[in-house]
Amino acid sequence: IAGITQAPTSQILAAGRRMTLRCTQDMRHNAMYWYRQDLGLGLRLIHYSNTAGTTGKGEVPDGYSVSRANTDDFPLTLASAVPSQTSVYFCASRREAANTGELFFGEGSRLTVL
Amino acid sequence: GENVEQHPSTLSVQEGDSAVIKCTYSDSASNYFPWYKQELGKGPQLIIDIRSNVGEKKDQRIAVTLNKTAKHFSLHITETQPEDSAVYFCAASITGNQFYFGTGTSLTVIP
Repeated sequence: IAGITQAPTSQILAAGRRMTLRCTQDMRHNAMYWYRQDLGLGLRLIHYSNTAGTTGKGEVPDGYSVSRANTDDFPLTLASAVPSQTSVYFCASRREAANTGELFFGEGSRLTVL
Repeated sequence: GENVEQHPSTLSVQEGDSAVIKCTYSDSASNYFPWYKQELGKGPQLIIDIRSNVGEKKDQRIAVTLNKTAKHFSLHITETQPEDSAVYFCAASITGNQFYFGTGTSLTVIP
């Protein structure tokens, strides 16, 4: 059982470059999320998708975009990376957005922007 | 939006002792309070959760208590073991809405 797969696991990126973090889940969950984790700030929601074809903004959406073309995939794109986007990024999913329930997380993607 | 505060940020205990992590939340409409454990290099994993219609929940060595009036909830780990060493996050949510996470507690259990 794979759960949530994120790629790459780690990346060093020059400022100004475009970067896409990939996220795939095999649990057929409707809701998917992108969080960034920074020391002392916990986990902050970037973007979310309640179901395929829809997306929404979280707490810290600026500089990021997402798409949800199908149920399984939820890529996060940094159009022009800046050093403040250096962080660990976690993709997560849960069965339905409408109910409370367990969030399943991927293993994370560590991004360094120089 | 919701604001979740978590204390302490670091906690060291001797093996076998108890550990307590506390969180407060601001939005009285929040009704779901999960706790996540994150081991080094891994994603967070749910360890226990509590809903607003319950005051306490236990699962073996782990318990969570909720005080809706005071808007705080706590994680209690008894008989701590080295494998309990990790970062713990609390969160608060309103049904159907996003989760708001605390800033995390790094727990170290000293053998």
